[in-house]
Amino acid sequence: NAGVTQTPKFQVLKTGQSMTLQCAQDMNHNSMYWYRQDPGMGLRLIYYSASEGTTDKGEVPNGYNVSRLNKREFSLRLESAAPSQTSVYFCASSERLAGGPSTDTQYFGPGTRLTVL
Amino acid sequence: AQSVAQPEDQVNVAEGNPLTVKCTYSVSGNPYLFWYVQYPNRGLQFLLKYITGDNLVKGSYGFEAEFNKSQTSFHLKKPSALVSDSALYFCAVRAPMTTDSWGKFQFGAGTQVVVTP
Repeated sequence: NAGVTQTPKFQVLKTGQSMTLQCAQDMNHNSMYWYRQDPGMGLRLIYYSASEGTTDKGEVPNGYNVSRLNKREFSLRLESAAPSQTSVYFCASSERLAGGPSTDTQYFGPGTRLTVL
Repeated sequence: AQSVAQPEDQVNVAEGNPLTVKCTYSVSGNPYLFWYVQYPNRGLQFLLKYITGDNLVKGSYGFEAEFNKSQTSFHLKKPSALVSDSALYFCAVRAPMTTDSWGKFQFGAGTQVVVTP
């Protein structure tokens, strides 16, 4: 049981290049999230997917797109990278329990450190 | 809108002394409150959560947190700090599922804890 895995761990891009960050979870969770972490700003939600087949914008969605490929996988795409997107990106997942309120405890991957030059 | 504040950027404590990391929140309705810890170059790890019930919540690694509704606070505590507790700590709040903010966690900016031998 690997939990939440992310690839790659590190990436350097030039301005204007594109790339996709991959995330997978093996906990059979319904919900998945993408965050970025910047010094002094905590974690900010980029996009989330409440369940397979749905995605919604978070706090800072501009410049990003997401795909919930299946229940396990949730990818984040930068179409035209900008230096402002230099950050550490975290994927997380949580289980939304049927039939009652969900605590939605989130479990995080190890992160992808992205630098855009 | 929900928000969470961690008023201290850094907390310094000597090993063996009590540790407190402060968190205050603002949310409509009864909140779901969480504490996470992040070690260097790692993802966030779940420590504990408050959903309902007893105001004192016990979590991993000897940590506990006290929910205070009148002061809208959820401070993290440990009676006797260890050097290995040195890390970045995040408080998070999520509004109940009955509101439009389902799925969106709001994280604080983080508090760096430094425990000296």
